[in-house]
Amino acid sequence: GAVVSQHPSWVICKSGTSVKIECRSLDFQATTMFWYRQFPKQSLMLMATSNEGSKATYEQGVEKDKFLINHASLTLSTLTVTSAHPEDSSFYICSGLREEKGSSPLHFGNGTRLTVT
Amino acid sequence: GQNIDQPTEMTATEGAIVQINCTYQTSGFNGLFWYQQHAGEAPTFLSYNVLDGLEEKGRFSSFLSRSKGYSYLLLKELQMKDSASYLCAVRDSNYQLIWGAGTKLIIKP
Repeated sequence: GAVVSQHPSWVICKSGTSVKIECRSLDFQATTMFWYRQFPKQSLMLMATSNEGSKATYEQGVEKDKFLINHASLTLSTLTVTSAHPEDSSFYICSGLREEKGSSPLHFGNGTRLTVT
Repeated sequence: GQNIDQPTEMTATEGAIVQINCTYQTSGFNGLFWYQQHAGEAPTFLSYNVLDGLEEKGRFSSFLSRSKGYSYLLLKELQMKDSASYLCAVRDSNYQLIWGAGTKLIIKP
């Protein structure tokens, strides 16, 4: 159980356009979802915490107007990268929070590879 | 501040044993997690320690010493498919996961 589906797996877009990434919890209700970004050879960097029905909490240095997060239901959170630039090219990973005794509280999507040309 | 340290890269031979260390300094402690991440993929959960001692799960074992702020992941009978990055993460008093930078493990035949 605890499956998270992330779509698309990869996307190439032109500079200045917007890209939407979807994250769905398929078999559990994720009140809280996390959005991470990972640059090559670096660890996961938390971008924001998304709570269903409320505004996302962004980490320091992450522009909330550029990275729009919507968590309208208990099974869907979306991240929209607005006016994308080449420096936004990265691996974006979402995860749903579901506490399981003795196991990981985070259930990751498969990630989205974004390339901005 | 909060900090997690682990070696950047390690190399080991197929069939051998390797130990990946992780030391941490966090605001409180509510468990330590190890994840495996292959290039271009999301992390997958390996192990969880909240009490001191060794947790064994097949070829992988994880050890924790809370007094020393120290953990290790032990991989036995290494296989080529074990080549990946291994991430240590600690959950702090606010139940936030603090991530290490990851250890890239290279397995040679």
